Amino acid sequence: GAVVSQHPSRVICKSGTSVKIECRSLDFQATTMFWYRQFPKQSLMLMATSNEGSKATYEQGVEKDKFLINHASLTLSTLTVTSAHPEDSSFYICSAGTGYGNQPQHFGDGTRLSIL
Amino acid sequence: AQTVTQSQPEMSVQEAETVTLSCTYDTSESDYYLFWYKQPPSRQMILVIRQEAYKQQNATENRFSVNFQKAAKSFSLKISDSQLGDAAMYFCAYRETSGSRLTFGEGTQLTVNP
Repeated sequence: GAVVSQHPSRVICKSGTSVKIECRSLDFQATTMFWYRQFPKQSLMLMATSNEGSKATYEQGVEKDKFLINHASLTLSTLTVTSAHPEDSSFYICSAGTGYGNQPQHFGDGTRLSIL
Repeated sequence: AQTVTQSQPEMSVQEAETVTLSCTYDTSESDYYLFWYKQPPSRQMILVIRQEAYKQQNATENRFSVNFQKAAKSFSLKISDSQLGDAAMYFCAYRETSGSRLTFGEGTQLTVNP
């Protein structure tokens, strides 16, 4: 079945560091990718929608300069957390879809980000 | 805007028993898709089952089945013969036919007792 690879799975870094998270669709072309943030015991909060070849659409309250999204190809989207601070520590998950019919989104395994 | 509500933050069931997780949603659309995702402690999101709104027949996947009541905008998940591996957070999700964005409910944490 379709597979989405997310890397890295765990990041621990110092405050002020920028962190890049990659999301790859391995066996299908993903016209749209989504980035979510999830706090413990809570639901997934959509941060932004990434469309190949165009600017990402950010949800209200999400700082686009803080969370940079690039979707340069149909198989790769990246999320860069710039100048990360402890409050950015969270679990980040990407998903990818073909956008056709009832095909579900496929999720990456997530990235646990810890900012010291 | 569409909303999805899961009114049961936590549920528990005895191994081998049956449990039903509730989900209601709000939409003005007549056609859409509904999903149940499972998130075990590993935090991987796993698709459990999906339902197209235009289909009257309830979807079934082995021990998992849904009760889709379109008029009531209800989409409950029934897990039969519960197993320890079913313990997880379960999310109900809605998607329009014209887009790929998912709207998630708050989640229900399911505990399976041996």
